[in-house]
Amino acid sequence: KNEVEQSPQNLTAQEGEFITINCSYSVGISALHWLQQHPGGGIVSLFMLSSGKKKHGRLIATINIQEKHSSLHITASHPRDSAVYICAVPNNAGNMLTFGGGTRLMVKP
Amino acid sequence: DAGITQSPRYKITETGRQVTLMCHQTWSHSYMFWYRQDLGHGLRLIYYSAAADITDKGEVPDGYVVSRSKTENFPLTLESATRSQTSVYFCASSESGRGGRKAFFGQGTRLTVV
Repeated sequence: KNEVEQSPQNLTAQEGEFITINCSYSVGISALHWLQQHPGGGIVSLFMLSSGKKKHGRLIATINIQEKHSSLHITASHPRDSAVYICAVPNNAGNMLTFGGGTRLMVKP
Repeated sequence: DAGITQSPRYKITETGRQVTLMCHQTWSHSYMFWYRQDLGHGLRLIYYSAAADITDKGEVPDGYVVSRSKTENFPLTLESATRSQTSVYFCASSESGRGGRKAFFGQGTRLTVV
């Protein structure tokens, strides 16, 4: 089973700060997912990436396949970015995702 | 509206009762999933389905039953609810199950078993 570790577990930032959330996994994968869960509970898929970097607005996701590591960056953070961010990787068979424990981010105005 | 919808959003039931959580998607995605989310465990896969009439167990299937007679529906049934099944349940769908396609999640069902 792929072990997925996220750090930090909790993160508090001031509005405008640059934020980095890390995700490490133990077994090579085809793609990695970043998800966002807002306080209301809904889960939204932010990124799916298999190499390099992807950018969407103020969010940037990078992955290093050799290092088995991915980062999610938020530039110019805003209180509305407050959420739980979760990374997930497929298992060897590719038929299910294993999730990290999540990083709870709070951005203060 | 197109998307993936779960019902009910909130449910309180008694120990021993049967309860069914509904999930409906309008994209004709072949794969559908049921997860439960608990403090300290994150999201865990209960069951998944690769297509109509094809289902398979995930990480924590005990006490649950699923069916998929139509592509768009994937109900989850707790045959005899227990307090340990108090959780938030998420349904998801994807074009592919091989981790190479985005997954789309429902809004979740908060189930309390008393």
